[in-house]
Amino acid sequence: DAKTTQPPSMDCAEGRAANLPCNHSTISGNEYVYWYRQIHSQGPQYIIHGLKNNETNEMASLIITEDRKSSTLILPHATLRDTAVYYCIVRGRDNYGQNFVFGPGTRLSVLP
Amino acid sequence: KAGVTQTPRYLIKTRGQQVTLSCSPISGHRSVSWYQQTPGQGLQFLFEYFSETQRNKGNFPGRFSGRQFSNSRSEMNVSTLELGDSALYLCASSPRLAGDLADTQYFGPGTRLTVL
Repeated sequence: DAKTTQPPSMDCAEGRAANLPCNHSTISGNEYVYWYRQIHSQGPQYIIHGLKNNETNEMASLIITEDRKSSTLILPHATLRDTAVYYCIVRGRDNYGQNFVFGPGTRLSVLP
Repeated sequence: KAGVTQTPRYLIKTRGQQVTLSCSPISGHRSVSWYQQTPGQGLQFLFEYFSETQRNKGNFPGRFSGRQFSNSRSEMNVSTLELGDSALYLCASSPRLAGDLADTQYFGPGTRLTVL
């Protein structure tokens, strides 16, 4: 099972910031938080990842709370092309070793 | 640098047949993972290959198998196809730094398999 909880859907107005929350209350000290997105029927696209410090790249910012039990992905100026399913993943070990466990994600709709 | 490529992009087969899908990882990446995505089950991990050896395996029947070649290219095979095998099959590559949990996977566009 996925170790994260995300809202099933969110709307955001074009040009505004999209803030996507993720809860990962059982995260352990050496587990990273990853974000991917998937535009309809395409392969998931890597966005960003972090351990405990906030991270920023050309696509987004990742804010991780001090207790590491939740995080927020921020798309600073959402465009229509950002409409996608966003997956928050805690990278750790399961019975089969290290792999990514994808939950249902958040379906973000950017509205004109 | 070229991304992960998968061939073919679309495939139609009938029940009972077998199928082979191919994945070429990003140059320099040594790990290839395979995932199955269906509307009902979402994205599920199939297996991972590193240095031509299967390192991890998901909870799928033995009809699903794979291999990796010395150039890191990988193939997955599904034998005795069932209707429920209709899915998007995704391949992801990563550098697979040993012991490093911060090992990003980069996905290909997928192969859409339809079983009739």
